[in-house]
Amino acid sequence: QVTLRESGPALVKPTQTLTLTCTFSGFSLNTRQMCVSWVRQPPGKPMEWLALIDWENDKQYMTSLKTRLTISKDTSKNQVVLTMTSMDPADTATYFCARLNLRSWYFDSWGQGAMVTVSS
Amino acid sequence: NFMLTQPHSVSESPGKTVTISCTGSGGNIASNFVQWYQRRPGSAPTIILFEDKHRPSGVPDRFSGSIDSSSNSASLTISGLKTEDEGYYFCQSYDSNDLVVFGGGTSLTVL
Repeated sequence: QVTLRESGPALVKPTQTLTLTCTFSGFSLNTRQMCVSWVRQPPGKPMEWLALIDWENDKQYMTSLKTRLTISKDTSKNQVVLTMTSMDPADTATYFCARLNLRSWYFDSWGQGAMVTVSS
Repeated sequence: NFMLTQPHSVSESPGKTVTISCTGSGGNIASNFVQWYQRRPGSAPTIILFEDKHRPSGVPDRFSGSIDSSSNSASLTISGLKTEDEGYYFCQSYDSNDLVVFGGGTSLTVL
């Protein structure tokens, strides 16, 4: 059974750096074709894809946020970490990690999400 | 850039059939697979259709999907509506620029 769980601060101040951790089980990011992604949903707004990292450590980022995002993995801990710099109130959102099926580009398992509020 | 547009909300009575559209712009929706997800309040999103029309195991056949090239849109149809179908439904596809594109999401009310 595949599970993913997001963890991180619920509140960050503007200009700070957000660090979120996705801890997963039921698969390994050392396995061919495995990929974990981050997605967010601001309140009342659509889902927004942020970044992905695959078994070969290939990383891709949302174009408009590329300069602020860093994704990394620790396969020994089954974790994927996302950092986002220069946080702004507009970054207030629920942040999800999800496993991405690279064959057909769909998310086959999601975490529950972590709500992050950016406020002073 | 490729974009997907959904109606903001739909509502229908239990037992009826509802269709949620996902209209593409800036590209051909049939060029890449469309998937559909359901998110109930307080729960993780779950995939209900992948590769346009395929159901993961455990998803009832009341859920079906299709592509209409003439309108450049994908559709999610839910028949025999149940109150438990209430929630937020969103479509998703691939985009050559930002890799993943989501529709705006549709809130389904069953009343």
